[in-house]
Amino acid sequence: KAGVTQTPRYLIKTRGQQVTLSCSPISGHRSVSWYQQTPGQGLQFLFEYFSETQRNKGNFPGRFSGRQFSNSRSEMNVSTLELGDSALYLCASSLALKGATDTQYFGPGTRLTVL
Amino acid sequence: AQSVTQPDIHITVSEGASLELRCNYSYGATPYLFWYVQSPGQGLQLLLKYFSGDTLVQGIKGFEAEFKRSQSSFNLRKPSVHWSDAAEYFCAVDFDSGYSTLTFGKGTMLLVSP
Repeated sequence: KAGVTQTPRYLIKTRGQQVTLSCSPISGHRSVSWYQQTPGQGLQFLFEYFSETQRNKGNFPGRFSGRQFSNSRSEMNVSTLELGDSALYLCASSLALKGATDTQYFGPGTRLTVL
Repeated sequence: AQSVTQPDIHITVSEGASLELRCNYSYGATPYLFWYVQSPGQGLQLLLKYFSGDTLVQGIKGFEAEFKRSQSSFNLRKPSVHWSDAAEYFCAVDFDSGYSTLTFGKGTMLLVSP
């Protein structure tokens, strides 16, 4: 079974631009979560989507948004990029079976550099 | 407040020696506990997890971890380290929010000396 895939793997943008990152979960997984990883702040939760609905959101500004499609694929968008948005963005998927404890499986990440 | 602490930023271990990486959490109940490993430029690979039951859990690559409720700890161990184990290790906790949300420790970078 294929793992979580993320595209693109690397991205370079300039301040003020916007960017869209894509994540395809493991087949059959219904939940997709996004995390930002930086050297200073470590791994921080951005948001989680399930059945095309955002179920949970971390403490990030509104410039960070996402969505999930009916096939569980997810995208995240960052508008008006700032230098501090440079990070590795990780996507994770899980089965999200009702009443069951979940395990998240991570993709390789998208490395975003903002110049 | 709920938190996860990995007190060691860096650890250097000789190849063949044993390893223990520490993880403590702050929470009023028993959370769900995970260890992930990250090689440079890569995503996170799940090593093992604890949900309930036997407090000693076995994972991949010869790793194990022990949950100690009284100490709010979930330490990762390996009896004999290989050079390929050099990587960054993250303890992660699901505080039973009802959602797929993990809180991570700051990570421990493992260096393996010959």
